[in-house]
Parts: sequence; structure tokens; C-alpha cells
Amino acid sequence: EVQLVESGGGLVQPGGSLRLSCAASGFTFSSYEMNWVRQAPGKGLEWVSYISSSGSTIYYADSVKGRFTISRDNAKNSLYLQMNSLRAEDTAVYYCARVGVVITTYSYYYYMDVWGKGTTVTVSS
Amino acid sequence: DIQMTQSPSSLSASVGDRVTITCRAGQSISSYLNWYQQKPGKAPKLLIYAASSLQSGVPSRFSGSGSGTDFTLTISSLQPEDFATYYCQQSYSTPHTFGQGTKLEIK
Repeated sequence: EVQLVESGGGLVQPGGSLRLSCAASGFTFSSYEMNWVRQAPGKGLEWVSYISSSGSTIYYADSVKGRFTISRDNAKNSLYLQMNSLRAEDTAVYYCARVGVVITTYSYYYYMDVWGKGTTVTVSS
Repeated sequence: DIQMTQSPSSLSASVGDRVTITCRAGQSISSYLNWYQQKPGKAPKLLIYAASSLQSGVPSRFSGSGSGTDFTLTISSLQPEDFATYYCQQSYSTPHTFGQGTKLEIK
């Protein structure tokens, strides 16, 4: 079964740090690009960060740039999100998601086809 | 960043109804548009990718259309399990922004 399982969430004080993990199984993790997406309580979805299959290409949302670091260990089938200098507005459920792609003659269509159940991060004093 | 705007923000409908949700992009995104369904306390689920391609395993009552800036998600005959929140997302350029969501409720 294709599966993503997040862990590492919890309660942290403002300014603190947390490291999220996402364990992948049931597919060849090293072949897939991955995303982190978050959802604040009662709010919509927000894309947070992207990493290519090799880890060589990385993108961040402006809201987390300079504070969060995405990484992966293909030997361990794991994705990570190191979160530093946490703020109250980082409080959210954090999902890892597999990036699927359909390639045509002229285009690459990306989407997120497998999602974990999420891990909750609460930033509060 | 490309802004994605969904309408309506909420919608009440009955089982068996035909429902259409609209998503408008702030600039042309060709067909780089995905639709997700999310139920309370659950992760999002991919329904439609590349504007009109049905994800494997998704019922055929779901369909997507549009290109450029205007897109629609249509549910041809609402089933009880379809009451959820729906999000569009563009994959034309980073950041891959989402719409604000459309909550579909039972009338």
C-alpha cells in the first residue's frame, strides 16, 4: 500500500524549533518529488515547500523562507522539514504529499496524488 | 504569486443535484489546474489534474473543464459522500497556490 506517515509535531514556544518527518512506503520514494503543505486551524491549504527527487532543487513559500529547511534521505525513504524561529502563524496541520507528473509533448503537469494524514504543530507560549 | 479565487465560498445542495464550482486564476495558467476534495479531519484527496483529467479511482460524476484563467469542477449528481470542501490549485508556477476553498453542504 502506498503510504505517507508524518511525525514530529507538537507544542512549541514562539522562537522554538521542530523537525517534522514523513516516512514513505509502498512506492519508490527516490523517484518522486515531494511537497509539504500546511493548513492553519479553520483555514485553507497553503503550499510550504518542494524538493526534487534527488534533493538538488528546493523551493519555499515566502512565508517560511529562511526559517524552514526541507530535506530528504532516499536511503531511509524519508522526507523532513526543519522548522526554526517558529511563530504563532505557523500553527497548522502539516501534510507531506507526493508529487505526480504527467508529461506531454510540451508540458509537465504536476499534482499531489498521495498525502499523509498530517501532523499538528502548535506554536504558543 | 498567482492568485486563485473560487466561487462560491460555500454552497448548499441536495443529493442528486448537479453542482458547479468555479476557479479563476489571476493570470493565464493554461491547463495547469488541479482539484482536491477534503473532508473534515482528513487529508486532501486529488480529484482532477491538468484541468480535466480524472484521477484513477475517482467516480466519473466528477469532471473538470477550462483553460487559461477560468475553470470549473462539476459534480453531475451529488452523492452523500460528496459533501466536503473543494480546493483548486495551480501548478503553472511556484508557489503552487490554492484557492480559498468551497464548502459544499447539505441543503
